[in-house]
Amino acid sequence: GQNIDQPTEMTATEGAIVQINCTYQTSGFNGLFWYQQHAGEAPTFLSYNVLDGLEEKGRFSSFLSRSKGYSYLLLKELQMKDSASYLCGYGGSQGNLIFGKGTKLSVKP
Amino acid sequence: GAVVSQHPSRVICKSGTSVKIECRSLDFQATTMFWYRQFPKQSLMLMATSNEGSKATYEQGVEKDKFLINHASLTLSTLTVTSAHPEDSSFYICSARTGTTNEKLFFGSGTQLSVL
Repeated sequence: GQNIDQPTEMTATEGAIVQINCTYQTSGFNGLFWYQQHAGEAPTFLSYNVLDGLEEKGRFSSFLSRSKGYSYLLLKELQMKDSASYLCGYGGSQGNLIFGKGTKLSVKP
Repeated sequence: GAVVSQHPSRVICKSGTSVKIECRSLDFQATTMFWYRQFPKQSLMLMATSNEGSKATYEQGVEKDKFLINHASLTLSTLTVTSAHPEDSSFYICSARTGTTNEKLFFGSGTQLSVL
């Protein structure tokens, strides 16, 4: 991705909590997105943050700090089906999304 | 959410041939569609932005004569990979925007292209 970083891989235990961090640098910012992608499938939308703070949606929460160029995705009560890649992306000035390389999360029993 | 249909889901072709991938917005009008490419274990990389009725805007390093994009209607955009080579083998995915904000962006199911 362009000026956007997230860990390559993470491992967590079923039932636990995991936080996936994302940092970015851009002059034109139109929100921070998180997508989930299972292998061989299309990404599915998880969250969108445009203002600073925490957005909670069930087991998933996303946080944004625009001044720090930082976001995280928090997954609670992990389930085996949460094993996937999680893509962090920011909205560019032309209405597109610029993605990070994704974080592959493996949930172990 | 809105539905974006992408076809075909998988294609295998011989080197030198051309392949067309279609992306349709089924229940909304998409003024803008985006085409991404994803190599194994890599992120989605934006190839081009397609606006209905105008020429596509290509990202740096993407050959516009090789990856032809047509967005003739508000519900259909096509990507044609011309004279495909094995290095073009990748997962191609489109997305469509329903409105003017990034929040309403939906993805097609992707096309796995394998060039022999």
